[in-house]
Amino acid sequence: GAVVSQHPSWVICKSGTSVKIECRSLDFQATTMFWYRQFPKQSLMLMATSNEGSKATYEQGVEKDKFLINHASLTLSTLTVTSAHPEDSSFYICSARDDSRFNYGYTFGSGTRLTVV
Amino acid sequence: KNQVEQSPQSLIILEGKNCTLQCNYTVSPFSNLRWYKQDTGRGPVSLTIMTFSENTKSNGRYTATLDADTKQSSLHITASQLSDSASYICVVIHAGGYQKVTFGTGTKLQVIP
Repeated sequence: GAVVSQHPSWVICKSGTSVKIECRSLDFQATTMFWYRQFPKQSLMLMATSNEGSKATYEQGVEKDKFLINHASLTLSTLTVTSAHPEDSSFYICSARDDSRFNYGYTFGSGTRLTVV
Repeated sequence: KNQVEQSPQSLIILEGKNCTLQCNYTVSPFSNLRWYKQDTGRGPVSLTIMTFSENTKSNGRYTATLDADTKQSSLHITASQLSDSASYICVVIHAGGYQKVTFGTGTKLQVIP
C-alpha cells in the first residue's frame, strides 16, 4: 500500500534556529503534498499545498518566509521552520496525493513533534 | 461554521461495546468522504473511503455509511477494543480539479476495560 515517510518523528531545537522536516512518498509519485499543523486537542490545520516544480500555496495567515517549502522531486517535499520560536512548537503532519489514484490517494505521514526551547 | 461537523466531540465506552460516530457535512459537490483514525502523537490512518455514489464501506470492525441526500456519514465500530481509543476524523474531498480537503472536528473515543 501507499506509504509516506516523515522524518524526523520528533525534534527539539533552540529558539532562533531552523528545523527541516522531510516528507517522502516511498512507493508512489506525488506531484502534490500537503503540510498540516496540529495543536493539542485540535483538528489538523492545513498550512500549505506543496506542488512539485512550482511554488507552494500557503493558507491565509501562514507566513511563507517562516515556513519554507521545497518540493523538488515527485517523492520528496520538505518543510523548514526558520528562526523557530516556542510558539512554533506543534505537531506537523504531511500528506501526499498519489498521482496514479487521483480520487483516492491521500496518505499521511506519521507526523513530527517539534519542541522549541 | 465548519463545513464538516462531527459528533459527539468525545465518547467513552466499555470494551466490547459498539459505538457510532456521526459526520454531517455541507460540502457540495464532493468527490469522496473518508474516515481516518489518529492515535495520539501519530499521523491519521485511513479506515474507509467512499465516493458520493456509495452507501456503505467496511474495514474489519469498522463500517462507514453515507447518505448523500442528507449529507450525513457515520462510522460504526463493532466489539470495541482498547486499541480503538483514538481520534476519528471525517474528511471530505471537494470535487473539482483542485480537490480541496476539509477536515471534520474529530471525535475522541476512549475505550475502557
